[in-house]
Amino acid sequence: SQTIHQWPATLVQPVGSPLSLECTVEGTSNPNLYWYRQAAGRGLQLLFYSVGIGQISSEVPQNLSASRPQDRQFILSSKKLLLSDSGFYLCAWSSTFNEQFFGPGTRLTVL
Amino acid sequence: GDSVTQMEGPVTLSEEAFLTINCTYTATGYPSLFWYVQYPGEGLQLLLKATKADDKGSNKGFEATYRKETTSFHLEKGSVQVSDSAVYFCALKKAAGNKLTFGGGTRVLVKP
Repeated sequence: SQTIHQWPATLVQPVGSPLSLECTVEGTSNPNLYWYRQAAGRGLQLLFYSVGIGQISSEVPQNLSASRPQDRQFILSSKKLLLSDSGFYLCAWSSTFNEQFFGPGTRLTVL
Repeated sequence: GDSVTQMEGPVTLSEEAFLTINCTYTATGYPSLFWYVQYPGEGLQLLLKATKADDKGSNKGFEATYRKETTSFHLEKGSVQVSDSAVYFCALKKAAGNKLTFGGGTRVLVKP
């Protein structure tokens, strides 16, 4: 069966520091991968999605970037965090025509 | 563009009450429709889905019927429990696309 992992689970970072969040999927090949952000009490905002290695689509211009160095690995990065980057970051995967399956999330607090 | 509209919460209920969360959508063609549930501090879990008109998705006592004529996919449960307290998201996916379009989420609080 397929599983999706995210780490770290929680992270507290100072403003201006770099960020790297990792997402990996097991049990499937060539998945579509997605990064979402959920601000406190708000809905989901799609940040990036990828249909293959090295292929990244950005949905919202911002302080973040994404990379997909391997088929089942998706990384969310920032060179300098802002206070507004705080939130709950969710990774998800899907096969081409099916629903998305979400990871457990990473709670990021920028101080 | 495509959009999903959900009733705003929070919805506060007593245990064993009937729950309805309204969801309507705007999209061309025949999208697939989903309900996801998010328990506190966790990621989203797929609750149920429907892929064509008049399909009924069901899971864990929850049901939703794909109504093409009213572009709706309302979520219902006949008798809620405290453990149903969560945020519920309605979403759609076009057949030819890779992305889900989510509603804003509805927080449900069930009191004993």
